[in-house]
Amino acid sequence: GNSVTQMEGPVTLSEEAFLTINCTYTATGYPSLFWYVQYPGEGLQLLLKATKADDKGSNKGFEATYRKETTSFHLEKGSVQVSDSAVYFCALMSQGNLIFGKGTKLSVKP
Amino acid sequence: NAGVTQTPKFQVLKTGQSMTLQCAQDMNHNSMYWYRQDPGMGLRLIYYSASEGTTDKGEVPNGYNVSRLNKREFSLRLESAAPSQTSVYFCASSEGGLAPGYNSPLHFGNGTRLTVT
Repeated sequence: GNSVTQMEGPVTLSEEAFLTINCTYTATGYPSLFWYVQYPGEGLQLLLKATKADDKGSNKGFEATYRKETTSFHLEKGSVQVSDSAVYFCALMSQGNLIFGKGTKLSVKP
Repeated sequence: NAGVTQTPKFQVLKTGQSMTLQCAQDMNHNSMYWYRQDPGMGLRLIYYSASEGTTDKGEVPNGYNVSRLNKREFSLRLESAAPSQTSVYFCASSEGGLAPGYNSPLHFGNGTRLTVT
């Protein structure tokens, strides 16, 4: 079946540090992959997406590359800010199913 | 620029009481969803509606009913609330749906925090 596994948090970084949040998946067919972000007290917002192998999604300095060979979609940012503190969810959509990971909480300290 | 609007934002119920969570979207989306979010569990789909007039069960439908009133509105009803239904409930919408070949992202409301005592 389909599943998404992302690294457990919480992740605490200093401002301007490099961020990686790992996400791996199992899926039948050719899934589309997403990263959503949830700021405190709000709903999830789409951060970026990729729909086929080797696609790179990017937005607000965040990037993730769809790696079919390693079934991964790791989220990266070169220099995080305090305003990036949030919960990040990896998700896949495949053959009628939309599956979310359990979320990774990121805290960025000044 | 409202997007997806949920009401109420907060609610406290006693066991056995009923209530309806309201959701409306102004993006002319075909598909709408109800999720619950619990600590350590991520998001779990309760029900979704691929288009006006259709509804389907998701992963955790027991204890809930839904109504797709029109293209804009999708309500979630708890007939007899239980403490296990204490959660944060999110409504979402998308242009496409969950069928194979669709990959449009979901747009979420800000959630309803429900406590059942």
